[in-house]
Amino acid sequence: GENVEQHPSTLSVQEGDSAVIKCTYSDSASNYFPWYKQELGKRPQLIIDIRSNVGEKKDQRIAVTLNKTAKHFSLHITETQPEDSAVYFCATLSGGANNLFFGTGTRLTVIP
Amino acid sequence: GAGVSQSPSNKVTEKGKDVELRCDPISGHTALYWYRQSLGQGLEFLIYFQGNSAPDKSGLPSDRFSAERTGGSVSTLTIQRTQQEDSAVYLCASSLDISNQPQHFGDGTRLSIL
Repeated sequence: GENVEQHPSTLSVQEGDSAVIKCTYSDSASNYFPWYKQELGKRPQLIIDIRSNVGEKKDQRIAVTLNKTAKHFSLHITETQPEDSAVYFCATLSGGANNLFFGTGTRLTVIP
Repeated sequence: GAGVSQSPSNKVTEKGKDVELRCDPISGHTALYWYRQSLGQGLEFLIYFQGNSAPDKSGLPSDRFSAERTGGSVSTLTIQRTQQEDSAVYLCASSLDISNQPQHFGDGTRLSIL
């Protein structure tokens, strides 16, 4: 089955700096890669996703890049703000299954 | 409704009891998924339903876990003879259909087994 690894597990940045979170996956048939943000005690919320036919997608301060050859994808947050502090999860959807496989999460802290 | 609705939001029960958790997906979404999130961990897939097709139960951790989806809408996750290791947040998600992501999550049920 799919194996998703996420790094780092914790990340602290100064407000205004950029944050980068990376995930690797094992199943070359994976074709959909969402990122979720989860604040304490709240539901995971989709913040951006990318499909395997594109290499990069951007939405304001958030971008995701995908390297299918190397089987890794990354979340980039620019001009970080305190409200970006949360746990971020990457996930993959394999072509052979229909459920998401999640990384173990990155706790991002943005220091004012 | 506007989003995925789960109930109860919290459930505390004694070891050995059965529990039922409910999920009401977004109206019109034919795919429904159950995940489990243990403290400080990622989400672990349990089961999904697509319309009236037989569910994919490949993620259920033991035969004490079962789920139903009646009428292609509301789903119930049942855990029989609960154990302490069942303590977790149980999250439900729905999507338009299996091939039509993304998945939208509910607030979850926090289950505590004493």
